[in-house]
Amino acid sequence: DQQVKQNSPSLSVQEGRISILNCDYTNSMFDYFLWYKKYPAEGPTFLISISSIKDKNEDGRFTVFLNKSAKHLSLHIVPSQPGDSAVYFCAASGRNNNDMRFGAGTRLTVKP
Amino acid sequence: KAGVTQTPRYLIKTRGQQVTLSCSPISGHRSVSWYQQTPGQGLQFLFEYFSETQRNKGNFPGRFSGRQFSNSRSEMNVSTLELGDSALYLCASSLRSSFSYEQYFGPGTRLTVT
Repeated sequence: DQQVKQNSPSLSVQEGRISILNCDYTNSMFDYFLWYKKYPAEGPTFLISISSIKDKNEDGRFTVFLNKSAKHLSLHIVPSQPGDSAVYFCAASGRNNNDMRFGAGTRLTVKP
Repeated sequence: KAGVTQTPRYLIKTRGQQVTLSCSPISGHRSVSWYQQTPGQGLQFLFEYFSETQRNKGNFPGRFSGRQFSNSRSEMNVSTLELGDSALYLCASSLRSSFSYEQYFGPGTRLTVT
């Protein structure tokens, strides 16, 4: 069962504009959320995370927003750069920290 | 600091065979997790080892097993391979046995089952 869903398989954005990647989850027991970025032929690399006690976390150009009532989180990249072109995975873990669920990924393309 | 390394990077096996994949974590990391990535499925958690003990396990059949050695290196074994086992297998290391901690991923082993 897909407890973490990324409904957009791809997203194309112009350089300098905002990229918004979305993620929905179904399990209300999830309380820690992460975003990973993956380039071809490399493993995913950690980008940013957020705990369920927060609704926003910011790190440079990257901001993650969490809407617990909607079971929705989003990653904003501002401004987008061509080097941001990659596959982005959202992930969630529960209070027991005994499992990590990933979405299927969204391929972001930032055009110069 | 050297990153997570996985060997081999590519592997071709036939149905019914078994395979062993290896993962060396970042020095000092005691937690190693394994994931399977297939097109459209994202990453699916297989299991996690910490201090030579399996701490957590995903929803995979018993054909998938693993172990961790005293130096934190980990191996994953898949027996009686099926075509559906073709995937990218990723391992990730972390300082602690908790998914609230950042995980560092290796480049993966691409397994093809024919």
